[in-house]
Amino acid sequence: GDSVTQMEGPVTLSEEAFLTINCTYTATGYPSLFWYVQYPGEGLQLLLKATKADDKGSNKGFEATYRKETTSFHLEKGSVQVSDSAVYFCALSNFNKFYFGSGTKLNVKP
Amino acid sequence: NAGVTQTPKFRILKIGQSMTLQCTQDMNHNYMYWYRQDPGMGLKLIYYSVGAGITDKGEVPNGYNVSRSTTEDFPLRLELAAPSQTSVYFCASSWDGTNEQFFGPGTRLTVL
Repeated sequence: GDSVTQMEGPVTLSEEAFLTINCTYTATGYPSLFWYVQYPGEGLQLLLKATKADDKGSNKGFEATYRKETTSFHLEKGSVQVSDSAVYFCALSNFNKFYFGSGTKLNVKP
Repeated sequence: NAGVTQTPKFRILKIGQSMTLQCTQDMNHNYMYWYRQDPGMGLKLIYYSVGAGITDKGEVPNGYNVSRSTTEDFPLRLELAAPSQTSVYFCASSWDGTNEQFFGPGTRLTVL
């Protein structure tokens, strides 16, 4: 069945460091891909999305490119801030079903 | 436009008690979902609905019930609460099963 696998955390970085959180997926057909962010004590918020191969989603300095050849949707940011500390979830939707990864916690130290 | 609202925000139950977690959305979304999130873990789907009058089980439905009498509301009922149901519960909605889900702020439930 369809599934999402993302790198385990926590990921600890210093402020202004480069961030990559890996996400790979297994799916038939042409899924849509998403990154959600969850700040402490809050619900999930959509960070960015891509609906077809080679699309790049971007928001708040974060980017992810839908790579069908490697079935990946890695999240990147060039310079993280302390305020980016949160849990990040990769997700896909396919045939009206949604699948979430297990989440990756990011800690950014000043 | 309030989005997805959930009540209560916090609740402590005794073993064997029952309660209903409320969820309302004002975006006219067809799909609604209930998830639970245990500490340090990802989301597990409890139940979902594709429209008023239609509900279906997710990954972890045991111990819960839902109903969907209107497009806006999707309450989650816990019967005979157990410590294993201690968790944070999130309601979400989406226009269809393909587009992004919008999440409520969550209900933190403790069963003692």
